[in-house]
Amino acid sequence: AQSVTQLGSHVSVSEGALVLLRCNYSSSVPPYLFWYVQYPNQGLQLLLKYTSAATLVKGINGFEAEFKKSETSFHLTKPSAHMSDAAEYFCAVSEKGSSASKIIFGSGTRLSIRP
Amino acid sequence: AAGVIQSPRHLIKEKRETATLKCYPIPRHDTVYWYQQGPGQDPQFLISFYEKMQSDKGSIPDRFSAQQFSDYHSELNMSSLELGDSALYFCASSLGVTDTQYFGPGTRLTVL
Repeated sequence: AQSVTQLGSHVSVSEGALVLLRCNYSSSVPPYLFWYVQYPNQGLQLLLKYTSAATLVKGINGFEAEFKKSETSFHLTKPSAHMSDAAEYFCAVSEKGSSASKIIFGSGTRLSIRP
Repeated sequence: AAGVIQSPRHLIKEKRETATLKCYPIPRHDTVYWYQQGPGQDPQFLISFYEKMQSDKGSIPDRFSAQQFSDYHSELNMSSLELGDSALYFCASSLGVTDTQYFGPGTRLTVL
């Protein structure tokens, strides 16, 4: 069975500081990996996805994530936090190649930005 | 670009009532997925359809049913509503079964 574990339910950084949100995955088959962002009272927006091309994936809003198979990790980073980055972030996994693959979400990390 | 449309955006029902949630996928997308997000929870997969056939089933209660129509829109029917059904219900769509899923804004269901 597939799963993702997000380390830290709440992360707080200062504006301009590095953002690092941690995600580890478990999958018996090559996975697709995703990061989604959810702003308060809004839907889920795809930040970036890994589908076995480049291991360093660049997404929207200056975010990027690196797939490390040896560490089973897919951590999300941004060099300089902005106040508008405050939101809930979900790491997610789905099976590569299976039919209508459901997405399995992590428990989420709430990112707060201090002025 | 056109996005996934969900209606209604908000719905208030009493216990034991029924509710129907609608999802209109991105044009030309043939696969839809339903997820339920309880308060403070991560989204949980309910059910999916590919080319109008059910393709996968998750933790969907027997009181719920869904279908995908010929125009690829989908409806989630919920009967005998319980307080615990109060949640945000997301629909997502994709082109083909392995493409990226794009989420709609969600329907917030409140059961009183």
